[in-house]
Amino acid sequence: DGGITQSPKYLFRKEGQNVTLSCEQNLNHDAMYWYRQDPGQGLRLIYYSQIVNDFQKGDIAEGYSVSREKKESFPLTVTSAQKNPTAFYLCASSTNRANYGYTFGSGTRLTVV
Amino acid sequence: GQQLNQSPQSMFIQEGEDVSMNCTSSSIFNTWLWYKQDPGEGPVLLIALYKAGELTSNGRLTAQFGITRKDSFLNISASIPSDVGIYFCAGQLTSGSRLTFGEGTQLTVNP
Repeated sequence: DGGITQSPKYLFRKEGQNVTLSCEQNLNHDAMYWYRQDPGQGLRLIYYSQIVNDFQKGDIAEGYSVSREKKESFPLTVTSAQKNPTAFYLCASSTNRANYGYTFGSGTRLTVV
Repeated sequence: GQQLNQSPQSMFIQEGEDVSMNCTSSSIFNTWLWYKQDPGEGPVLLIALYKAGELTSNGRLTAQFGITRKDSFLNISASIPSDVGIYFCAGQLTSGSRLTFGEGTQLTVNP
């Protein structure tokens, strides 16, 4: 079955360490997105990529980095420069050829201690 | 970035009651979408609307694409405990364009 997979589901890191969250899709979608969600809050866009080897900053890109070397993969690195990294991170993907919205992964909950 | 105005922010209802929530925008969209997010999971698409005035149902859920293309409504009839979660509206202008999301409606259903 086609889908979008985020791993791991839960991640714990010490303050000051960089950490990379994985996002893989086999939907043949062109675009991929990373969102951050804090408790009781909506979705805030971190980075997005419309095509391979290209990506753009979203509304809260500071302290994060991404790469898009393959169509299927869009990993997110939370760097030590991110002041408040503890959050729920959601990856999504979409096709550029129709208005079908996004398909979301099941999320990664990152806790920095 | 732009956000849609989604209301209410939260709802506490009794099982069996009907629920209504809505989204409004200052600009038009050509597609309206409604998602549900279960606790600790990613949002899942419930209903997609593609035409102004369109009314679409999915089981106990009914959604409408506003005639002005600047709003949308979601109704849930005869709520059950598994309806608990956060409901998000989203607007999309064209194929491949980014979605604009509402802030979400947190629904709690008391058995």
